[in-house]
Amino acid sequence: SAVISQKPSRDICQRGTSLTIQCQVDSQVTMMFWYRQQPGQSLTLIATANQGSEATYESGFVIDKFPISRPNLTFSTLTVSNMSPEDSSIYLCSVEGGLVGNEKLFFGSGTQLSVL
Amino acid sequence: KQEVTQIPAALSVPEGENLVLNCSFTDSAIYNLQWFRQDPGKGLTSLLLIQSSQREQTSGRLNASLDKSSGRSTLYIAASQPGDSATYLCAVVTEKLVFGKGTKLTVNP
Repeated sequence: SAVISQKPSRDICQRGTSLTIQCQVDSQVTMMFWYRQQPGQSLTLIATANQGSEATYESGFVIDKFPISRPNLTFSTLTVSNMSPEDSSIYLCSVEGGLVGNEKLFFGSGTQLSVL
Repeated sequence: KQEVTQIPAALSVPEGENLVLNCSFTDSAIYNLQWFRQDPGKGLTSLLLIQSSQREQTSGRLNASLDKSSGRSTLYIAASQPGDSATYLCAVVTEKLVFGKGTKLTVNP
């Protein structure tokens, strides 16, 4: 299993500002995943972050809006830039762990973001 | 495009009742299916993982089944307890992981 420390747990931000979310994993992992969960909706993958290379963004998400850093194999940040009320969501980071061929997803505790 | 549907969206039961949560998916060519639990203010906790070659997995009072051909999975919770109150999400892996919207379960003491 993997233990992920995610912070902040929640924040209230003003329109037009940016927020950086951090995730620290207790073991080295190749890929880290960033998800968004809008109110009443399912989780949507924003991007996959690999150490030493640019993150891979899903359709509908762009680097200018959601820049990601992955400086080493245990840490990643996601920034939500130039925020608007539509960005109010829960943001979660995730990693794969477990036995080869039986990998599971492990999640951080999430960041509840409210944009005024 | 894979779509995952969970029914019901919300469920309220008295303590001690056995219950079933449903998950359906449109593309049966999945690698695996995973059930998660989500508590308010906390992240997701993995409950059970079923590989595409398996038909069910059990962990304590939880039993998950998978019928790939019909595109369905169920999560059975035996002897429910108030501590089981949470949102339960299923997710399937084809090219990527696709989540359902979840079932919000309330177990009343």
